[in-house]
Amino acid sequence: KAGVTQTPRYLIKTRGQQVTLSCSPISGHRSVSWYQQTPGQGLQFLFEYFSETQRNKGNFPGRFSGRQFSNSRSEMNVSTLELGDSALYLCASSLAGASSYNEQFFGPGTRLTVL
Amino acid sequence: KQEVTQIPAALSVPEGENLVLNCSFTDSAIYNLQWFRQDPGKGLTSLLLIQSSQREQTSGRLNASLDKSSGRSTLYIAASQPGDSATYLCAVLVFSSGSARQLTFGSGTQLTVLP
Repeated sequence: KAGVTQTPRYLIKTRGQQVTLSCSPISGHRSVSWYQQTPGQGLQFLFEYFSETQRNKGNFPGRFSGRQFSNSRSEMNVSTLELGDSALYLCASSLAGASSYNEQFFGPGTRLTVL
Repeated sequence: KQEVTQIPAALSVPEGENLVLNCSFTDSAIYNLQWFRQDPGKGLTSLLLIQSSQREQTSGRLNASLDKSSGRSTLYIAASQPGDSATYLCAVLVFSSGSARQLTFGSGTQLTVLP
């Protein structure tokens, strides 16, 4: 079974630009969550999507947004990039059913560098 | 607000030693606890998942315990090997509003196993 995939793996942008990151969950997984990892703040929760609906959102500005498609694939968008947005962005998927263990499986991440 | 702490922040041991990594969390209302491994610049690999009703889980040389009432978990690594060198992260899955869940991570323990 294929794992969680994220594209692109590396991205370099300049301040003020916008970026879209993509995540394909494990087949059959309906929940997709996004996390930001930086050396200073560690891993921080961005948002969770389930059945095309944003179910939960972390404490990030409105420049960070996302969506989920009917095939459970998810995209994350960051507009008006700032230097502080440079980070490793990780996507996680889980079954998220009532009887599931809700184990989270992570992708390899997208390394975003903002110049 | 849930907070997760990991001690020590860094650990260096000679090959063959048994070692214990510690994780504590402030709110016992967790759904489960997961231990992850992260190699430099890479995504997270799930090592062990402990449901809130369980006390421990084992996988090969790894054993994780959970004491929900005291807000503590330990990851025991037996007969450490240089290939175990990585950052180990503890995360608790908590409920937010409704059925939404999110992982709250500790800052990790950076383990180095010396040959």
